[in-house]
Amino acid sequence: AQSVTQLGSHVSVSEGALVLLRCNYSSSVPPYLFWYVQYPNQGLQLLLKYTTGATLVKGINGFEAEFKKSETSFHLTKPSAHMSDAAEYFCAVTLNTGFQKLVFGTGTRLLVSP
Amino acid sequence: DAGVTQSPTHLIKTRGQQVTLRCSPKSGHDTVSWYQQALGQGPQFIFQYYEEEERQRGNFPDRFSGHQFPNYSSELNVNALLLGDSALYLCASSPRQGDTGELFFGEGSRLTVL
Repeated sequence: AQSVTQLGSHVSVSEGALVLLRCNYSSSVPPYLFWYVQYPNQGLQLLLKYTTGATLVKGINGFEAEFKKSETSFHLTKPSAHMSDAAEYFCAVTLNTGFQKLVFGTGTRLLVSP
Repeated sequence: DAGVTQSPTHLIKTRGQQVTLRCSPKSGHDTVSWYQQALGQGPQFIFQYYEEEERQRGNFPDRFSGHQFPNYSSELNVNALLLGDSALYLCASSPRQGDTGELFFGEGSRLTVL
């Protein structure tokens, strides 16, 4: 069965600093990978996804992630943090987009200080 | 264009009671999934409905049941509530045809069981 591990329940950065949120997955077959963001008292919003093709994926709000099969990783990065990036970030995996059965990690809360 | 809407937004129940949560998918979407998000955890897949039938189910007991109506809206029912059922319940929708692997989430229904 597939699973996702997010290293670090909390990550703190200063405004303008690099954001790096880590995600490692476990899957017996090539997975589809997602990053979702959740702002307080809201649902989840898709940031970006990897299905096939280019391993460097660009998403909304300046975020990007790189699928590294050899490292079973899909880390999320943003060159320069903004105060509005403060939120909870979830990495998720599924084996088949048609099922919509996503397996989520436990989330990483990003704190951005001025 | 309305997104995914859920009701009620908050509710309080006591142990042993039953609850019904409702979801209207995004316009043009015909597939609905339900997730449970306990405090401090990532969402967990409960089940998915398409063409008014349950298509996939996660590791949840039979106390959790659902329904999808001809207009694609959906209900989640939980019987014999336990304290551990306290969580944010998220509804997500997607189009079956041309599935891009993206789920659109509602803002959730927060259930508190006393």
